[in-house]
Amino acid sequence: AQKITQTQPGMFVQEKEAVTLDCTYDTSDPSYGLFWYKQPSSGEMIFLIYQGSYDQQNATEGRYSLNFQKARKSANLVISASQLGDSAMYFCAMREGRDDKIIFGKGTRLHILP
Amino acid sequence: KAGVTQTPRYLIKTRGQQVTLSCSPISGHRSVSWYQQTPGQGLQFLFEYFSETQRNKGNFPGRFSGRQFSNSRSEMNVSTLELGDSALYLCASSLYKGGDEQFFGPGTRLTVL
Repeated sequence: AQKITQTQPGMFVQEKEAVTLDCTYDTSDPSYGLFWYKQPSSGEMIFLIYQGSYDQQNATEGRYSLNFQKARKSANLVISASQLGDSAMYFCAMREGRDDKIIFGKGTRLHILP
Repeated sequence: KAGVTQTPRYLIKTRGQQVTLSCSPISGHRSVSWYQQTPGQGLQFLFEYFSETQRNKGNFPGRFSGRQFSNSRSEMNVSTLELGDSALYLCASSLYKGGDEQFFGPGTRLTVL
């Protein structure tokens, strides 16, 4: 079974609109961390945001916020006021406490339209 | 502060050959992780090194190996290359083992003919 599921292979969004990228995860480990990375066409992975399983508040980093719904095992990335430079591949990832490996989802390709 | 560097950036090899990729982490970072990215399998964890010790390994055959030096630089070796090894190999560094924030290098694009 997939541990990280990103159901949106591609999305088109108008510039300046808010974007929500979906991510659901599967784990029985009470201790885990959730990440979002951005990969532009250049190929380099850029860390965006992190949420720990015990964190009470949703993580935020500038225009990025993580909508963490623990009971639903959901960790959606919200990008406010999208910009053309946000066009990229976005990956959701999880690290479980017991084996410490990072598992990535298949990614969502986001296209921001002018 | 310089970012993570990977050399070479591009590599073409033939089946059966072996290859060594290099990764220099951000200064002060002691953890280095390696990932393989392919269109079919996506991003897959290869291994993580911390203080010259492999602390974690993904589900890859023994042809894939690595090491880390005392200056935290890391090398990854793939022996007896197969066509399916063609991929982007990414290296990431973090301050601590199992670090939450990983900084990635630009990757090495390996093509096996």
